[in-house]
Amino acid sequence: SQQGEEDPQALSIQEGENATMNCSYKTSINNLQWYRQNSGRGLVQLILIRSNEREKHSGRLRVTLDTSKKSSSLLITASRAADTASYFCAPHSSYKLIFGSGTRLLVRP
Amino acid sequence: DVKVTQSSRYLVKRTGEKVFLECVQDMDHENMFWYRQDPGLGLRLIYFSYDVKMKEKGDIPEGYSVSREKKERFSLILESASTNQTSMYLCASAYFGGTRNTGELFFGEGSRLTVL
Repeated sequence: SQQGEEDPQALSIQEGENATMNCSYKTSINNLQWYRQNSGRGLVQLILIRSNEREKHSGRLRVTLDTSKKSSSLLITASRAADTASYFCAPHSSYKLIFGSGTRLLVRP
Repeated sequence: DVKVTQSSRYLVKRTGEKVFLECVQDMDHENMFWYRQDPGLGLRLIYFSYDVKMKEKGDIPEGYSVSREKKERFSLILESASTNQTSMYLCASAYFGGTRNTGELFFGEGSRLTVL
């Protein structure tokens, strides 16, 4: 399965700290996507990194991809209370995306 | 902006009832998906469709069927609802081909179904 597995399952940090979430997967991919889900809402894509990229930045987000280890990480710098949400990685190699259980991030004010 | 609209945010149904969950997208996407989301289990793919009248089973199709008669609409059907189908249902659409291809899924807001 190309399902991404996120780690840790839950993360609680203080506002202003950095949050790092990891993702591992099993098959070759075209790209890997990270999504965010606010409580009770749909998912929204945060960032997409292609298989030939090693690092990508978007605002306070930094994503790395190591295809040799089949792993990715999402770093949120200078976290804010509004970053509280669940975060999912989605490895993409065909016409469907399979999501894992996600990382629940709580940013305490 | 892409919009994926799910017809009902909250539904309460009784065991044995037939349930229709409707999803409409306005971006001419070929691909549409139905997921269910349960605590600790993440999102699980029920069915997806890559074209009108085309459908493929996902990981947990049992107890569900789908209909895609028009490109913009993808319906999930629970023929005889059961309590273990109480869940959050998420619809998504995407375009996977050509220059517009980003592989991004656009999700609706979800339909929370309770089966009593």
